[in-house]
Amino acid sequence: DQQVKQNSPSLSVQEGRISILNCDYTNSMFDYFLWYKKYPAEGPTFLISISSIKDKNEDGRFTVFLNKSAKHLSLHIVPSQPGDSAVYFCAARGQTGANNLFFGTGTRLTVIP
Amino acid sequence: SQTIHQWPATLVQPVGSPLSLECTVEGTSNPNLYWYRQAAGRGLQLLFYSVGIGQISSEVPQNLSASRPQDRQFILSSKKLLLSDSGFYLCAYRISNYGYTFGSGTRLTVV
Repeated sequence: DQQVKQNSPSLSVQEGRISILNCDYTNSMFDYFLWYKKYPAEGPTFLISISSIKDKNEDGRFTVFLNKSAKHLSLHIVPSQPGDSAVYFCAARGQTGANNLFFGTGTRLTVIP
Repeated sequence: SQTIHQWPATLVQPVGSPLSLECTVEGTSNPNLYWYRQAAGRGLQLLFYSVGIGQISSEVPQNLSASRPQDRQFILSSKKLLLSDSGFYLCAYRISNYGYTFGSGTRLTVV
């Protein structure tokens, strides 16, 4: 049962434009959300996060938006750069604590120079 | 600084053979350690986590087992691999209540 879903397996964006990666979840008890970035043959690295009590968190070119009523979050990258090309995973933390993060299936972003 | 080491990077094993993947962490003591797997077309699935030496929690019943013989060592094992055990295995430790640091992963192909 996939509690965190990323319905777009891939996304292509022109360099300089905005990239929007989407994530949906089913468990209203999730209290923290994270985005990870993964390059080939490497483990995921933490990118940005947001608490369930907020609706926006910004860090440089990266902004995460949370819509709790829709159980939806999105990651905006602007402007997109070729080095942003990677697989992006959305993750949610269960209320049992950080001993389980639920991950989506990932979206492969390709930024075209 | 804290680092996490995982090996081997790739592994091809026949069905029915044993498995041992090792993960070690440096620069931290008593870390919470995790084994995740990403199968084709699936998200990262938590397999095991450990909050201390000899303490293992299993999230998903399967053909695998885990052990933590030392504070900073976490081992994933199987006595007899199945084709369905193929996937990308990731070890991680918890850096805060809000995230993990992952190792570089092991690509396991069972043939």
